[in-house]
Amino acid sequence: VHLVESGGGLVQPGGSLRLSCAASGFTFSDYWIHWVRQAPGKGLVWVSHITNNGDITSYADSVKGRFTISRDNTRNTLYLQMNSLKDEDTAVYYCVRGAGGLDKWGQGTLVTVSS
Amino acid sequence: DIVMTQSPDSLAVSLGERVTINCKSSQSVLYGSNNRNHLTWYQQKPGQPPKMLIYWASTRESGVPDRFSGSGSGTDFTLTISSLQAEDVAVYYCQQYSTSPYTFGQGSKLEIK
Repeated sequence: VHLVESGGGLVQPGGSLRLSCAASGFTFSDYWIHWVRQAPGKGLVWVSHITNNGDITSYADSVKGRFTISRDNTRNTLYLQMNSLKDEDTAVYYCVRGAGGLDKWGQGTLVTVSS
Repeated sequence: DIVMTQSPDSLAVSLGERVTINCKSSQSVLYGSNNRNHLTWYQQKPGQPPKMLIYWASTRESGVPDRFSGSGSGTDFTLTISSLQAEDVAVYYCQQYSTSPYTFGQGSKLEIK
């Protein structure tokens, strides 16, 4: 099982970024997938999830209305569109498979929001 | 939202000693459709992503040493390390996987005394 995030980087406040997560080694379309973030030196914060066929999504209040999760099961890829970014969105963003709990984690991609 | 509160925030324990970390949820994490407590424990070592140790409150993930165990039901849960090893130095998190948002505890940092 591999989950590889990409798309992180430096962005100004108010800007946008799209993260991707490429999955391999398992049947992607069978699993819910989540985004979890971790600000530097801080704890884990659950961000969003999407069901296996993409029909249901949910978000943390802190990102609701600004972030959109989506998936392409034909490409085994998960996305997180992040708009109206704030300083407090600075974090490593992890793509995580959901099964019982969050059982497989990517290495994460760093998003830095700063002017 | 379900609030997850861990205790202690940090602890230092001697090698070979028993470690206990507690996690309390603000409401039950018993999931009605399968009658299981959807409480998960993770271990995070410096510079690494978290690793799932225990799910459904007490089921050990494949490959996790049997010195790690989970217990509890409803709103009160415990992670126990029966005999602390040097490689167990990490931050431990609990998470409820019952109801979105799937909230984490604040973490408990474990060090060697």
